[in-house]
Amino acid sequence: NAGVTQTPKFQVLKTGQSMTLQCAQDMNHNSMYWYRQDPGMGLRLIYYSASEGTTDKGEVPNGYNVSRLNKREFSLRLESAAPSQTSVYFCASRPGTASGNTIYFGEGSWLTVV
Amino acid sequence: GQQLNQSPQSMFIQEGEDVSMNCTSSSIFNTWLWYKQDPGEGPVLLIALYKAGELTSNGRLTAQFGITRKDSFLNISASIPSDVGIYFCAGQLQAGGTSYGKLTFGQGTILTVHP
Repeated sequence: NAGVTQTPKFQVLKTGQSMTLQCAQDMNHNSMYWYRQDPGMGLRLIYYSASEGTTDKGEVPNGYNVSRLNKREFSLRLESAAPSQTSVYFCASRPGTASGNTIYFGEGSWLTVV
Repeated sequence: GQQLNQSPQSMFIQEGEDVSMNCTSSSIFNTWLWYKQDPGEGPVLLIALYKAGELTSNGRLTAQFGITRKDSFLNISASIPSDVGIYFCAGQLQAGGTSYGKLTFGQGTILTVHP
C-alpha cells in the first residue's frame, strides 16, 4: 500500500551542494508533480510531468531540474543549493484522465540548506 | 499567475463548535478541491467539487463550489480534536494544454481544536 514514496525524508545541505530528491508511485499514474511548501505560502508547483517523456515548468522552477525516468519515477534535482530552497518538498501523482482529479501526495521531504 | 486567497489563516475553537473557511480566486476554476494536512504528512483529499453551485458532504464536512466559479467554502460541523491540522483549498483550471492537471493552492488555514 505504498502510493507515492519519496526519499530522503530529511536532508541538510551546505550552500552550493547538489542533491536529488527521488519519487516513485506504484499506482500506474500518468502525471507526476513536485511541490514545495513554505509557511504562509501554501503549496507551489515546481515542475510537473503530464505523462512519461514530458516535463514542464510550474510556478517556481528556478534552481531546479527534473527527470521523468519512467512512468513510476520523477526526480527533482538541486544543482547548487541555496538557503532560499530550504523548504518541505512534496511529490504527487495523478491518474491523468479528465475525470480522475484526485492528486495523491507523498509524505514530504524536509530540506534545510545552510 | 493564479492567486487563491484562503481565509482565515488560523482558527482556535472549542470542541463541538462548527468551523467555516473559504477561498476566493481572481480567476475561474473548473474544479475545487479541499485537502487536509496532518503534521509531518502530505495533504490528503477531503472533498472534490466539479460543478458550479455543487454542494458536497463527506461526513461532518460540507463544501460548496461557488456559482461564479471563483470561490469555494468548507464547513466542519461539531469539531473534534482530530480535526486539528492545516486545511488547503486548491483550484484546477480547464484540462488540456500546458495547464492540464495543475493545481493552485491557497495559503492554508491552521485549525486548532481545544478539548
